[in-house]
Amino acid sequence: GAVVSQHPSWVICKSGTSVKIECRSLDFQATTMFWYRQFPKQSLMLMATSNEGSKATYEQGVEKDKFLINHASLTLSTLTVTSAHPEDSSFYICSAPAGVDSNQPQHFGDGTRLSIL
Amino acid sequence: QKEVEQNSGPLSVPEGAIASLNCTYSDRGSQSFFWYRQYSGKSPELIMFIYSNGDKEDGRFTAQLNKASQYVSLLIRDSQPSDSATYLCAVTGGTSYGKLTFGQGTILTVHP
Repeated sequence: GAVVSQHPSWVICKSGTSVKIECRSLDFQATTMFWYRQFPKQSLMLMATSNEGSKATYEQGVEKDKFLINHASLTLSTLTVTSAHPEDSSFYICSAPAGVDSNQPQHFGDGTRLSIL
Repeated sequence: QKEVEQNSGPLSVPEGAIASLNCTYSDRGSQSFFWYRQYSGKSPELIMFIYSNGDKEDGRFTAQLNKASQYVSLLIRDSQPSDSATYLCAVTGGTSYGKLTFGQGTILTVHP
């Protein structure tokens, strides 16, 4: 089945550091990928839609200059948390639909747990 | 009003029983409906998806969709302790084409 690989799985770093998270579709091409954030005991909240070859679209309230998204190829999207602060500590998860239709089931990466000290 | 709302938990059922999880959604144009299972500290795992009114069965799981009532449910038969997890209802389509909108999740505990 469709596999989405996310790396790294865990990051601990100092406040002010920028952190890059990679999301790869391993056996299919993904023109669209999605980035979610999940705080403890809460559900997933969509942050942005990553579009191959064009700018990402961000959900209301998500700072595009802080959460930089690059979808440089049909199999790779990256999320960079710039100048991270403790309040950015969260579980970040990417997903991709396994077909052309974005309403098809999405497959999730294993997530990245980000802890900012 | 929340866009996707799940029955409040936590839900506790004995092993072997049927667990019933419910979800309502507000966007009448929604087209696709998903149930994900999430273990603590892990990312969501797709359990079932349903597009049309009626029932869809897969092993011990049955998804039910009623678009007129804007209601989707998940039944887990012969519940096992390994089914203990948070179950997330998610919806896409309508005004949120391609974007998954999640409910708040229902914690299910299956006790031996």
